[in-house]
Amino acid sequence: EAGVAQSPRYKIIEKRQSVAFWCNPISGHATLYWYQQILGQGPKLLIQFQNNGVVDDSQLPKDRFSAERLKGVDSTLKIQPAKLEDSAVYLCASSFTRMGAGNYEQYFGPGTRLTVT
Amino acid sequence: AQSVTQLDSQVPVFEEAPVELRCNYSSSVSVYLFWYVQYPNQGLQLLLKYLSGSTLVKGINGFEAEFNKSQTSFHLRKPSVHISDTAEYFCAVIAGGTSYGKLTFGQGTILTVHP
Repeated sequence: EAGVAQSPRYKIIEKRQSVAFWCNPISGHATLYWYQQILGQGPKLLIQFQNNGVVDDSQLPKDRFSAERLKGVDSTLKIQPAKLEDSAVYLCASSFTRMGAGNYEQYFGPGTRLTVT
Repeated sequence: AQSVTQLDSQVPVFEEAPVELRCNYSSSVSVYLFWYVQYPNQGLQLLLKYLSGSTLVKGINGFEAEFNKSQTSFHLRKPSVHISDTAEYFCAVIAGGTSYGKLTFGQGTILTVHP
């Protein structure tokens, strides 16, 4: 079974530039998550999709971050414009869990390490 | 809102010694509890989970954890560690009643196993 794919693995940009990350979840997984992991901290949920609908985006800085999951499969996360404090690893995860059923296990991709200079 | 506290940011230990990584969570009616491991430059991998039933949960790589509802704890243990266990470990919780499984993570504990 193929895992969660993410690209790029590394990205360096200057502040005020824009950047986009891509995620392809495990086939058949209805739920997709984007997390931000700042160095020395645990991952923090940015946005959660169920199929192509947003379930939770309460911690997404909507003035600069956006995400979409067209057709309920792969997803992109965009930052525009980037700030220095956006330097972090962006993790994508997927889960079979739907409507409260399932084992709640999330499968994580390798992440994209973003450095904003 | 749920919160998770990992009581040790770093735990050094010698090879073949036992180890315990501590985790406490804020109380809720019901919770689902998880431990994930993260090796350098990799994503998170599930070690074990508690959803219901027996409070002693066994996971991969010889790890186990015990759910203690009265103390709101979910400590991770291994009786004998290997060099390859060196990694960062995260405790995480899903609050009961959350239909879609939102995970709240602790700050992480870096386990370093010395020869």
